[in-house]
Amino acid sequence: QQQVRQSSQSLTVWEGETAILNCSYENSAFDYFPWYQQFPGEGPALLIAIRSVSDKKEDGRFTIFFNKREKNLSLHIKDSQPGDSATYFCAASLNKVVFGTGTRLQVLP
Amino acid sequence: GGIITQTPKFLIGQEGQKLTLKCQQNFNHDTMYWYRQDSGKGLRLIYYSITENDLQKGDLSEGYDASREKKSSFSLTVTSAQKNEMAVFLCASTPGQGGQAPLFGEGTRLSVL
Repeated sequence: QQQVRQSSQSLTVWEGETAILNCSYENSAFDYFPWYQQFPGEGPALLIAIRSVSDKKEDGRFTIFFNKREKNLSLHIKDSQPGDSATYFCAASLNKVVFGTGTRLQVLP
Repeated sequence: GGIITQTPKFLIGQEGQKLTLKCQQNFNHDTMYWYRQDSGKGLRLIYYSITENDLQKGDLSEGYDASREKKSSFSLTVTSAQKNEMAVFLCASTPGQGGQAPLFGEGTRLSVL
């Protein structure tokens, strides 16, 4: 069973728009949610993370919105740039990390 | 800063062959992981190790062996490569015994002829 779900396999936005990547999870005990960014030919890189005691985490153009009651979260990328084109993985952790299947984001100039 | 080094970067094998992938980290992290990445399937945990000589199975351990020879290194063996198999194997590490966000190496890309 898929413990962490990313609703879109792919997403295309125009440069300057806000990209919204959605994620949901099964286990209400998960307490830490990292997001990773992966470029072709590279390993995933930790982008931003949130703990379940918070409902929002912001780092520059990247913001996580977290809804514990609904068991979902989203990554917002404000003012998207072509260089943000990558695959984004949502993950959830209790004592080990479980990954979603990823959303491939394309930002068109 | 530290780094996770995976060797080789590319690996081409023959069906039935035993293949070994290596990983070194200089973060002094306790826990190391091996993940397999297939297109459209995300990252699946093969093995992890919380300390030297420890080994724990992940969700995808069948067909693989692993060895944590020392704190800084963790190797993975494909016991019998499957024909037409193509995947990326990612090594990662975390400072504690799990739960934190792993830091990843760049991966070993496997193709089996």
